[in-house]
Amino acid sequence: EAGVAQSPRYKIIEKRQSVAFWCNPISGHATLYWYQQILGQGPKLLIQFQNNGVVDDSQLPKDRFSAERLKGVDSTLKIQPAKLEDSAVYLCASSLDSGTGSTGYTFGSGTRLTVV
Amino acid sequence: AQSVSQHNHHVILSEAASLELGCNYSYGGTVNLFWYVQYPGQHLQLLLKYFSGDPLVKGIKGFEAEFIKSKFSFNLRKPSVQWSDTAEYFCAVNTGGFKTIFGAGTRLFVKA
Repeated sequence: EAGVAQSPRYKIIEKRQSVAFWCNPISGHATLYWYQQILGQGPKLLIQFQNNGVVDDSQLPKDRFSAERLKGVDSTLKIQPAKLEDSAVYLCASSLDSGTGSTGYTFGSGTRLTVV
Repeated sequence: AQSVSQHNHHVILSEAASLELGCNYSYGGTVNLFWYVQYPGQHLQLLLKYFSGDPLVKGIKGFEAEFIKSKFSFNLRKPSVQWSDTAEYFCAVNTGGFKTIFGAGTRLFVKA
């Protein structure tokens, strides 16, 4: 089966600019996750969707980050304006289950963001 | 708040050595436990998972993990590592709700 697709793979922007990342999960996977992975740390959940509804966005910095999942398939994550501390790899994952992770997550390759 | 601790940030082993990576979590209720692996240049992949039943779980590529509830631990083991096991390993815990928390990861380097 096709994996989780993410684009772009790399992005370099200046602080205060905006940036958007795109994710296409595995077909049929109802649950989609965006994680932020700062160098030397484990992935941290930013937002979780089930179909097109938000299940958990408690750790999403809502003053600058936004995400949507229209039609319950593709998702975009936006940062506006970016700060230096947003430099990280942004991972998208999807799972067949309703969010317990029982079926395991399938991760995309991630987008490496560098804010200068 | 729930947390996951991986004791070793970096581990260096020679081929054929035995491996044990520690993972402890802080949560008193029912948990689902995972180990993920990220090989150089590749994305995170599921190595094994525990939900219930036999606390000794076998995964891919000869890896296994043991859930010890009394110690809140889920250590990863492999009797004999290979150069191709060089990767970063992440322990993850789902507390039965909707959030899966990852540890900071352990980088394993296996010398040929």
